[in-house]
Amino acid sequence: KAGVTQTPRYLIKTRGQQVTLSCSPISGHRSVSWYQQTPGQGLQFLFEYFSETQRNKGNFPGRFSGRQFSNSRSEMNVSTLELGDSALYLCASSEGLAGSSFGPGTRLTVL
Amino acid sequence: DAKTTQPNSMESNEEEPVHLPCNHSTISGTDYIHWYRQLPSQGPEYVIHGLTSNVNNRMASLAIAEDRKSSTLILHRATLRDAAVYYCILNTGKLIFGQGTTLQVKP
Repeated sequence: KAGVTQTPRYLIKTRGQQVTLSCSPISGHRSVSWYQQTPGQGLQFLFEYFSETQRNKGNFPGRFSGRQFSNSRSEMNVSTLELGDSALYLCASSEGLAGSSFGPGTRLTVL
Repeated sequence: DAKTTQPNSMESNEEEPVHLPCNHSTISGTDYIHWYRQLPSQGPEYVIHGLTSNVNNRMASLAIAEDRKSSTLILHRATLRDAAVYYCILNTGKLIFGQGTTLQVKP
């Protein structure tokens, strides 16, 4: 099976812009979660989608949003970018009680 | 959110067993214990998970205390490729990562 894929792998934006990141889960996985990783805060949970519905949410402002499509692919959007949003954004997919498989991440730099 | 406590760092010699401890005193009855590791410049990688009984897979073993308030990840023979940050997480429907344990493996 192909692993979790994320696009783009690298992205440079300026403050105030918005960005959309994409995640394709492993075939058959219905749950998709998003995480933000920074050197200072480590890995932080953003949200989880299951069957097109947001099932869990972390403690991030409303500028961070996501959605899941009927084929389980997911996108996350960050509006009005701030310098502090520079991070590695990781997507993970899972099915049932099995462990999650993580993608390689999208490295976002906000200038 | 349920929390876990791990040592910040540990060292091991190559080809020796490594026992990585984790405390999770606030665990509830339905929380699964998950372990992930993250190698430099890579996303986290699933290692193993369990609920009550000890578990084994090709990567590691997971020993869970009888009261479930602690667990230990066992790497039977550490290799240089096992050098990574190891995270112990309670899966409550979302994975809440702590700071993890940075494992150094010395040749």
